[in-house]
Amino acid sequence: QAGLTQPPSMSKDLRQTATLTCTGNSHNVGNQGALWLQQHQGHPPKLLSYRNDSRPSGISERFSASRSGNTASLTITGLQPEDEADYYCSVWDSSLSGWVFGGGTKLTVL
Amino acid sequence: EVQVVESGGNLVQPGGSLRLSCAVSGFTLSNYWMNWVRQAPGKGLECVATINEAGSDKFYVDSVKGRFSISRDSAKNSLYLQMNSLRVEDTAVYYCGRDLFDYWGQGTLVTVSS
Repeated sequence: QAGLTQPPSMSKDLRQTATLTCTGNSHNVGNQGALWLQQHQGHPPKLLSYRNDSRPSGISERFSASRSGNTASLTITGLQPEDEADYYCSVWDSSLSGWVFGGGTKLTVL
Repeated sequence: EVQVVESGGNLVQPGGSLRLSCAVSGFTLSNYWMNWVRQAPGKGLECVATINEAGSDKFYVDSVKGRFSISRDSAKNSLYLQMNSLRVEDTAVYYCGRDLFDYWGQGTLVTVSS
């Protein structure tokens, strides 16, 4: 089943800003709210953002999400060492009737 | 406090069966959609099955249709994944995730190998 497209890797300097992208189509990102997950090695994923721009309680304001057309974005400001992780986007696909995930972006903080 | 605990993972031969369980506490299972998501070694996330609050609607990724079955028992506050005709490519950590993936368990490892 068709998934979402994310760049496989990104490297940014400490305290800089990273913008991760997630491209889908009109049946998923363009139609539904995307969510973003962070996963550290050996741990389950953690929800960072849902319905495009809502943050669960306890998630830092340094994480913000948005959408433009068929592309969702996650912006992380003031990068910290603990932000080094894999980031996944996901959205309910109305044509597939199921959750689809991006392949993940591995963020390295230099 | 919300808790999600998966169990049932094991080593199984190709063609075999396993039943995964997900015990939840801290919320009422019947109020939420629930999902099973897997992650093959070194790979990304894949949602294999989703069930609605009432258990009346079930959704599966194409690769498991006809082989996997998701179910729930609200009285036991538990979610299940019955996996039949297992293949080597089903090898993964299987996670139970609530609704919009706001809560996850630690996962249970399924290894399909001869």
